[in-house]
Amino acid sequence: KAGVTQTPRYLIKTRGQQVTLSCSPISGHRSVSWYQQTPGQGLQFLFEYFSETQRNKGNFPGRFSGRQFSNSRSEMNVSTLELGDSALYLCASSLGLAGGVYNEQFFGPGTRLTVL
Amino acid sequence: GESVGLHLPTLSVQEGDNSIINCAYSNSASDYFIWYKQESGKGPQFIIDIRSNMDKRQGQRVTVLLNKTVKHLSLQIAATQPGDSAVYFCAENGGYGGSQGNLIFGKGTKLSVKP
Repeated sequence: KAGVTQTPRYLIKTRGQQVTLSCSPISGHRSVSWYQQTPGQGLQFLFEYFSETQRNKGNFPGRFSGRQFSNSRSEMNVSTLELGDSALYLCASSLGLAGGVYNEQFFGPGTRLTVL
Repeated sequence: GESVGLHLPTLSVQEGDNSIINCAYSNSASDYFIWYKQESGKGPQFIIDIRSNMDKRQGQRVTVLLNKTVKHLSLQIAATQPGDSAVYFCAENGGYGGSQGNLIFGKGTKLSVKP
């Protein structure tokens, strides 16, 4: 069974540009969550999508957005990039079933974004 | 490999010894806790989880202890091996019920195993 894949693995952008990152979940998983990882702030939750709808959102500015497609693949977009957006962006997929059922999240390898 | 944290507490142990990694969580409403292992250049990998109605859970060579009174989690690794060297994170679900997509992660501890 293929794991979570993220593309691209590395990206270099300049301030003011925008970027789109892609995540393909494990087959059958309907929930995709995105996290930002930096040395200073650690791992921080960005948002979660389930069945093409944003189910949860973390405390990030509106420059960070995402979407999910009918095949559960997800993209996140960061507009007007700032130096502080340099980070490892991780996505995680799970079955995402609610109702008190806890489903393991499987993480991809991440996309390393560098903003110059 | 990529650096996942420049300011992480570090635990250095001898191969074969037991390791204990501690974590204080933030939300008393959290009812689900997970330990992840992250190796350089990779995403976090699930190790073990525990629900708030338990205080101990054992896996293969790993044990998680939960103390809700003081909001404390610990991960015990028995007979630590060089392959256990990684950064370890605890995570909590923040009490959001069935939706587990919004985990709150601790800062992480770097485990270094000396052969």
